[in-house]
Amino acid sequence: SAVISQKPSRDICQRGTSLTIQCQVDSQVTMMFWYRQQPGQSLTLIATANQGSEATYESGFVIDKFPISRPNLTFSTLTVSNMSPEDSSIYLCSVWGGGSGEQYFGPGTRLTVT
Amino acid sequence: AQSVTQLGSHVSVSEGALVLLRCNYSSSVPPYLFWYVQYPNQGLQLLLKYTTGATLVKGINGFEAEFKKSETSFHLTKPSAHMSDAAEYFCAVSPAGGTSYGKLTFGQGTILTVHP
Repeated sequence: SAVISQKPSRDICQRGTSLTIQCQVDSQVTMMFWYRQQPGQSLTLIATANQGSEATYESGFVIDKFPISRPNLTFSTLTVSNMSPEDSSIYLCSVWGGGSGEQYFGPGTRLTVT
Repeated sequence: AQSVTQLGSHVSVSEGALVLLRCNYSSSVPPYLFWYVQYPNQGLQLLLKYTTGATLVKGINGFEAEFKKSETSFHLTKPSAHMSDAAEYFCAVSPAGGTSYGKLTFGQGTILTVHP
């Protein structure tokens, strides 16, 4: 299994600003993912962050809005840029357990944009 | 491509009654299937998963699910509901290989209410 921590756990930000969310894993993993959960909604995959390569974004998400870094096998950041109230969501990082077929989730970052 | 449909955004049962949460999926490749639970203001917790092998899988807290390929279903059941089961439940699918390996597609979620 993997233990994942995220910082910050929550934040309230003003529109037009940016927030960087950190994700730390207690073991080395190849595949990391970032998801968004809008209020009252399900989870949607934003992007895949693999170490040593550029992040790959899902349809509807772009690098300019959600730049991602993956400097090593235990850490990743997601930046929410030029925020608007529509960006108010819970952002979760996750890692894939490979052969176990499990995906482990961090506790999430609850973002409110005013 | 893959998709997940959870039938019923809200399910209400009495304590001690059977819990049945329905999930149907669509996948162009063999799938891995998951059920997650989310308690209010908390993160996601894995209840159970199907990858290969036995199609009836048992998870935590007395839940189980059966993978039925012919019906493309993965319904979640629990014989006797407990008040602590009240939460939101998400069904998810991931391809078992290929370029989208590890990417989860979630259903819309089902809120389970348990009445005393």
